[in-house]
Amino acid sequence: EDQVTQSPEALRLQEGESSSLNCSYTVSGLRGLFWYRQDPGKGPEFLFTLYSAGEEKEKERLKATLTKKESFLHITAPKPEDSATYLCAVQAYNFNKFYFGSGTKLNVKP
Amino acid sequence: NAGVMQNPRHLVRRRGQEARLRCSPMKGHSHVYWYRQLPEEGLKFMVYLQKENIIDESGMPKERFSAEFPKEGPSILRIQQVVRGDSAAYFCASSPLPGGGNEQFFGPGTRLTVL
Repeated sequence: EDQVTQSPEALRLQEGESSSLNCSYTVSGLRGLFWYRQDPGKGPEFLFTLYSAGEEKEKERLKATLTKKESFLHITAPKPEDSATYLCAVQAYNFNKFYFGSGTKLNVKP
Repeated sequence: NAGVMQNPRHLVRRRGQEARLRCSPMKGHSHVYWYRQLPEEGLKFMVYLQKENIIDESGMPKERFSAEFPKEGPSILRIQQVVRGDSAAYFCASSPLPGGGNEQFFGPGTRLTVL
């Protein structure tokens, strides 16, 4: 069965303390892996799409990487405004639906 | 360029009433997805629609729930005879390509509370 597992569930960092969020997936033929940011009371905001193992994407303090079984979202020198829940989703080639993980709730303290 | 719009943002219903949630996709997007999110949980796929067609409704409960995306107007998610367990945030996303091969763009959600 296709599924997505994110870890840790919650992460508390000091401002400037770099870390990584993990997204492990099992899917029969990966069409794409997506990272989103979700702030409380709002809809998910698109961050990155990764299509094949070895691919990397960067945006400001965030960098997403992909292997055949997992993806990492690296956060370099985070700031309090990076506090949010980060969601990972995968889409299989022969399905229309997206499978979302439960998210990692990131809290960056000043 | 307006993003995905959903209304109402908050909806309160009593048990047994009907709930209608509306979603207007981004301009130029003809593919719409509906998701449900319970507190502290991820998004659960419900249904994927194109104009006048339901493509995949495998995530939709078999009873009381229906969705449509007419030729004109917004997509509608309809929940009949709501129960307390239907209380959740419902998000709609739109995509420009078939099957959502690229990223989906989400609306702000409708928070349904069933009393």
